Amino acid sequence: QKEVEQDPGPLSVPEGAIVSLNCTYSNSAFQYFMWYRQYSRKGPELLMYTYSSGNKEDGRFTAQVDKSSKYISLFIRDSQPSDSATYLCAMILFGFGNEKLTFGTGTRLTIIP
Amino acid sequence: NAGVTQTPKFQVLKTGQSMTLQCAQDMNHEYMSWYRQDPGMGLRLIHYSVGAGITDQGEVPNGYNVSRSTTEDFPLRLLSAAPSQTSVYFCASSYSSDTSSYEQYFGPGTRLTVT
Repeated sequence: QKEVEQDPGPLSVPEGAIVSLNCTYSNSAFQYFMWYRQYSRKGPELLMYTYSSGNKEDGRFTAQVDKSSKYISLFIRDSQPSDSATYLCAMILFGFGNEKLTFGTGTRLTIIP
Repeated sequence: NAGVTQTPKFQVLKTGQSMTLQCAQDMNHEYMSWYRQDPGMGLRLIHYSVGAGITDQGEVPNGYNVSRSTTEDFPLRLLSAAPSQTSVYFCASSYSSDTSSYEQYFGPGTRLTVT
């Protein structure tokens, strides 16, 4: 069993829809939870990170962590064609400065105009 | 700032050849790392460094060497290339002052094919 599981998709939704992307994990010691966006043939770009449980909002993006269920989500509101990319979740076991990121495999998202 | 730069962008090697993938950052980040990305596997950590002169192994270190003589540079050496090392390689650098402040940047990647 992988430490971090992510549905690879692909996921296609119409422009303006709310997108929900999810990851589950097995190691309850993970402390930091990250979401990355990766455009085709580019490096990953850190979108958001959260520490422990709760929600964090940044513009149209909301990251949610439920440590009791070992489940994290990224919501995209008012989705745009420019949001079409692969989204990766990642988790850090230790604190920043001694981090070893464990990634999910990524979900390919397409927003249809 | 150039951010994180990687060279070359593309490389084809024959089995048994060696080469060095270059990575540089101009943000004075202490933490740098190398990942490989393969279809269906996500990104996997090869080696990382928490500062000049300090390196450690990640999840998939076999067949790779690293060194960190300066804060800016973190080259990855393939000792004797094998077809299993065909992948896209990403370098990343990051910085954190406390739990509420974190920045991380990935380079554009090097696409390596070993025949």
